[in-house]
Amino acid sequence: NAGVTQTPKFQVLKTGQSMTLQCAQDMNHEYMSWYRQDPGMGLRLIHYSVGAGITDQGEVPNGYNVSRSTTEDFPLRLLSAAPSQTSVYFCASSYALAGGPQYFGPGTRLTVL
Amino acid sequence: LAKTTQPISMDSYEGQEVNITCSHNNIATNDYITWYQQFPSQGPRFIIQGYKTKVTNEVASLFIPADRKSSTLSLPRVSLSDTAVYYCLVALDNYGQNFVFGPGTRLSVLP
Repeated sequence: NAGVTQTPKFQVLKTGQSMTLQCAQDMNHEYMSWYRQDPGMGLRLIHYSVGAGITDQGEVPNGYNVSRSTTEDFPLRLLSAAPSQTSVYFCASSYALAGGPQYFGPGTRLTVL
Repeated sequence: LAKTTQPISMDSYEGQEVNITCSHNNIATNDYITWYQQFPSQGPRFIIQGYKTKVTNEVASLFIPADRKSSTLSLPRVSLSDTAVYYCLVALDNYGQNFVFGPGTRLSVLP
């Protein structure tokens, strides 16, 4: 199993541009989530999903959209990038719908100029 | 809403046992306590999870008192490679789906 994969590894955007961060898992996990981690800080939950077609907001959802059309994929869309969205983004998945261990991808480092 | 409090940093020497305590006063009745380890430029890695009493696996032990308002991660005989940030995590909601990580505990293992 590849586990949780994320693409791209690095991305530089200009203010106002949009883009999609890709996340995929091959473990048939129902729960998937997106976090952002700013330098020296803990992770903050952006959005999560408990299955295809079901998503919900976390702590910091503004400026981001998600959808879940398949069990495997959970893309994160930045609608209009802002410098405040410069961060490292991690995707995670879990076999449990409630409180189970989460398995994280390697992250995408995003810089918005 | 449940949130966690941990020491910001700890130092230890190789071969010592390290105990990191996390407070979670408002933990939900049905919520688990989960600990993660994070190295620089990597995603967090699951270490151990428990609900009550004691849980042990090949890398750590987790002690949870009866009131579940705190938990202690125990790392036996640490090595230099255990230098990392350690997070305890509980859910914000009663469904165990909405989480917030605290700033974590930065453990430095010295030779």
